[in-house]
Amino acid sequence: EDQVTQSPEALRLQEGESSSLNCSYTVSGLRGLFWYRQDPGKGPEFLFTLYSAGEEKEKERLKATLTKKESFLHITAPKPEDSATYLCAVLSGGYNKLIFGAGTRLAVHP
Amino acid sequence: GAGVSQSPSNKVTEKGKDVELRCDPISGHTALYWYRQRLGQGLEFLIYFQGNSAPDKSGLPSDRFSAERTGESVSTLTIQRTQQEDSAVYLCASSSRTGTHTGELFFGEGSRLTVL
Repeated sequence: EDQVTQSPEALRLQEGESSSLNCSYTVSGLRGLFWYRQDPGKGPEFLFTLYSAGEEKEKERLKATLTKKESFLHITAPKPEDSATYLCAVLSGGYNKLIFGAGTRLAVHP
Repeated sequence: GAGVSQSPSNKVTEKGKDVELRCDPISGHTALYWYRQRLGQGLEFLIYFQGNSAPDKSGLPSDRFSAERTGESVSTLTIQRTQQEDSAVYLCASSSRTGTHTGELFFGEGSRLTVL
């Protein structure tokens, strides 16, 4: 069964303190791995798609990387406005549905 | 509108009542998804529509849940005889045909359902 596990569940950082979020996955035939950001009371907002091991994507202070078993979302010099829940999802095999992890709640304090 | 629109934004109902949740996708988006998000948890897939193809209903948790979509327009998720465990935020998302492969889904703000 396809599975996505994110760690840590919650992370508290000081402004400017870089860190990484982890997403490990077990899928039959990865077709893509996706990162989303979700603010309280809102729907998730798409960030990145990664297709193959070794691929990297960047957007502002965020960089996503992919290996054969996990993905990392690196946050460089975060700001309070980066506070949100970050969700990882995978698309596998012949299925059409994205399978989401439970997310990492990030809080960045000034 | 420019984004995915869901209604109602909040719904409080009594156990045993039926509820209908509505999703208006982005115009031109062929794919539409329903997900459920319980408090503090990730998104749980419910159902997927792609154009006029047969929907993927593999995530519907019981026969109390059903969804309809006519063509590429509005979708309705119906929960019959609601139970307290149905309390959650129900999220709708739409995507273009390309987006179903790139994983770029556009989500609405959700309908928060509370069953007393």
